[in-house]
Amino acid sequence: GEDVEQSLFLSVREGDSSVINCTYTDSSSTYLYWYKQEPGAGLQLLTYIFSNMDMKQDQRLTVLLNKKDKHLSLRIADTQTGDSAIYFCAESTGGFKTIFGAGTRLFVKA
Amino acid sequence: DAGVIQSPRHEVTEMGQEVTLRCKPISGHNSLFWYRQTMMRGLELLIYFNNNVPIDDSGMPEDRFSAKMPNASFSTLKIQPSEPRDSAVYFCASSLETGGSAFFGQGTRLTVV
Repeated sequence: GEDVEQSLFLSVREGDSSVINCTYTDSSSTYLYWYKQEPGAGLQLLTYIFSNMDMKQDQRLTVLLNKKDKHLSLRIADTQTGDSAIYFCAESTGGFKTIFGAGTRLFVKA
Repeated sequence: DAGVIQSPRHEVTEMGQEVTLRCKPISGHNSLFWYRQTMMRGLELLIYFNNNVPIDDSGMPEDRFSAKMPNASFSTLKIQPSEPRDSAVYFCASSLETGGSAFFGQGTRLTVV
């Protein structure tokens, strides 16, 4: 069935790059998303990539998609303490629902 | 638009009581989702609606949970009777088209004592 997996925790030093990884199982995924959840708040869409793309860059964020391996990553350059949050990987196939991973909690050490 | 609106933001109730969580999706969105988030299990999809019709409720944990969407602008998630293990943050989300990016509410933090 459909599944999205990601590691639960990541700790980096301020100024370093963060790389959050995700794997998914549904090869017919059309959209792949990264959401960010700050403490006490709901999830907010951070960025997304279409399945026919390999890479998308948006300022400090770089999304890489390896469709063959069903692997998605989010790279945050020059990580700041304000980037501390939970990051969710998600996929949808254009059907009725979006499947979310459990979330990766990013800790940024000053 | 004010976004997805959930109420209440916080709910503390005693075990055995009925709890009703409310959601107002973004106007014009035709898909609505209820999620539950806990530290142990992460984000879980409970049920989703398309055009007010429940499509998949396989994520609803037990018969104690029920959800309704009487019209395009309102949905409820009810737990009756509530149990301490239901304590979690419950999110409602809506999207414009099936499979499009979902917009989340602020969540309802439920504590059952």
